[in-house]
Amino acid sequence: GAVVSQHPSWVICKSGTSVKIECRSLDFQATTMFWYRQFPKQSLMLMATSNEGSKATYEQGVEKDKFLINHASLTLSTLTVTSAHPEDSSFYICSARGLAGPPDEQYFGPGTRLTVT
Amino acid sequence: SQQGEEDPQALSIQEGENATMNCSYKTSINNLQWYRQNSGRGLVHLILIRSNEREKHSGRLRVTLDTSKKSSSLLITASRAADTASYFCATGTASKLTFGTGTRLQVTL
Repeated sequence: GAVVSQHPSWVICKSGTSVKIECRSLDFQATTMFWYRQFPKQSLMLMATSNEGSKATYEQGVEKDKFLINHASLTLSTLTVTSAHPEDSSFYICSARGLAGPPDEQYFGPGTRLTVT
Repeated sequence: SQQGEEDPQALSIQEGENATMNCSYKTSINNLQWYRQNSGRGLVHLILIRSNEREKHSGRLRVTLDTSKKSSSLLITASRAADTASYFCATGTASKLTFGTGTRLQVTL
């Protein structure tokens, strides 16, 4: 149980275009989903937290107009990188926390590698 | 900013040896968690240790916690090539996790 998927697993886009990444909880309802960013050989940095049906909360320094997050249902959150630039190239990982299960755990997706050319 | 600093940053051992990695953190915690990340993949939860626990075991994993020193260690015994991965400690709650800098473990045959 507690499986989180991401789609796509990798994407290459041209500078100036927008890219949408999906995060789905497959076998549980996720009240909260998290989006992280990870540069090569570095740790995960939390970008934003989204609760189903409400606006996402962004971490300091993360542009909310550039990284649009939508959490429209209890099983799906999307991250849209708008007007992507090469510096947005990174590994994006989502995680989810469910209604049930250990209260301290987040379940992580496999990540999406974004390359902006 | 990173809550946890891990050392070593990289560790290379031979299969069968034990691997120890350490995590130090700055603020008081309720629990500390360890995760594994295979290259280019998501994170897998390994173990959670609560602030009132000093040691916890799970299979070949042993985690210790010293709240007076604000540090934790992860020991992997009898390592295998499949243990090659990055290991991260994380503090906080399910509402917000803060990850350490990570240790990259390489287990060679």
